[in-house]
Amino acid sequence: KNQVEQSPQSLIILEGKNCTLQCNYTVSPFSNLRWYKQDTGRGPVSLTIMTFSENTKSNGRYTATLDADTKQSSLHITASQLSDSASYICVVSARGGSYIPTFGRGTSLIVHP
Amino acid sequence: DAGVTQSPTHLIKTRGQQVTLRCSPKSGHDTVSWYQQALGQGPQFIFQYYEEEERQRGNFPDRFSGHQFPNYSSELNVNALLLGDSALYLCASSLGLAGNTGELFFGEGSRLTVL
Repeated sequence: KNQVEQSPQSLIILEGKNCTLQCNYTVSPFSNLRWYKQDTGRGPVSLTIMTFSENTKSNGRYTATLDADTKQSSLHITASQLSDSASYICVVSARGGSYIPTFGRGTSLIVHP
Repeated sequence: DAGVTQSPTHLIKTRGQQVTLRCSPKSGHDTVSWYQQALGQGPQFIFQYYEEEERQRGNFPDRFSGHQFPNYSSELNVNALLLGDSALYLCASSLGLAGNTGELFFGEGSRLTVL
């Protein structure tokens, strides 16, 4: 069964600090992995996409890594801002099969001033 | 370029009633997927429409039904509402079934409260 597990479930940090969110998956055969940011009560917005051959992808202060061998990904946020407060969802897609991406439950990040 | 639009943004219903939610996909997209997101949870896949047919379905009862129109817009219908149906309903669009490995563009969601 395809699964995506995220940790921690929630995280509180001070503004300006860095943090790292984790995603472990069992989706196979792997196609790509995306990180989405979801502000409270809003729809998710894609931050990064990584395919099998990529192990690092950056989008401003967001840097995603992928280890396809261990089936792990991380999202590192540098110099956090209050606007980073949101839920971060890891989504993994498989090649072929049911075509439906598998969603993690998300990590809730709160950035305090 | 219009993104994914959903309506209504908020609505309140009582148990046993029926509700219809609407979605217009991003310009150029032809595939619409619906997700249910309970508070504090990740989105749960309900079903996907392509070429006006339901192509995939998640683990949801028959009370949840949908439709896709020739202009690619879509509706989600929920009958006999239960308290547990209270959630944020998200519509996501993409290009073709093969685009399921591609980016999903989400609308802002419809917040349904069942009393």
